Amino acid sequence: QVRLVQSGAEVKKPGSSVKVSCTTSGGTFSTFAITWVRQTPGQGLEWMGGIIPVYGRPNYAEKFQDRVTITADTSSRTAYMELNSLTSDDTAIYYCARSAGYNIDSYDPTFDYWGQGTLVTVSS
Amino acid sequence: DVVMTQSPLSLPVTLGQPASISCKSSQSLAYSDGDPSLTWFQQRPGQSPRRLIYKVFNRDAGVPDRFSGSGSGTDFTLRISRVEAEDLGVYYCMLGTRWPPRYTFGQGTKLEIK
Repeated sequence: QVRLVQSGAEVKKPGSSVKVSCTTSGGTFSTFAITWVRQTPGQGLEWMGGIIPVYGRPNYAEKFQDRVTITADTSSRTAYMELNSLTSDDTAIYYCARSAGYNIDSYDPTFDYWGQGTLVTVSS
Repeated sequence: DVVMTQSPLSLPVTLGQPASISCKSSQSLAYSDGDPSLTWFQQRPGQSPRRLIYKVFNRDAGVPDRFSGSGSGTDFTLRISRVEAEDLGVYYCMLGTRWPPRYTFGQGTKLEIK
């Protein structure tokens, strides 16, 4: 059974960074895409970017490409999302999700499994 | 950029009655635009989204057959033939493309039991 388990809640100061992890079990890690989606009351669900671990080069949504870094470690079956220059608008639940991966710039256009979510609160 | 618009945003329903949610895309995308595909998710209170329907009408394993998806072009619909108490939550449509990978969500429709 496929499971995506995320790291715990974080409280951060404005201007700082946060790094959230997503560890997978079951299924094949390297050839699937792990993608990051955030959920805020104001903007709803937003895709931030994703990565196929075996290729290592991420794809980013234009909105986040200057502030987000997505990486993956195949040995630990873990993907990471780091968001920089945090503001209160980044207070959100951050999810990882899985989709089939085809090549470095091609992922399945749907997500079949999601992590449990990580609440990131940005407050002074 | 593609915008996905759901309606209604709030849907009070009586148990046992049908329900229907609309999702409209601001653009009609062709295969050459990256093999676009429409997915429906259910998010129960306090839980992560759960996929119900993928590629417009394919139901995931374990999803009751009272859920069905349809549509093409810019207009898509999720139908629940007979609403049950466990169906309450928020429903999202999502348009994804394979190349490059891009995903756009609707605003969500809150299904409430009358």
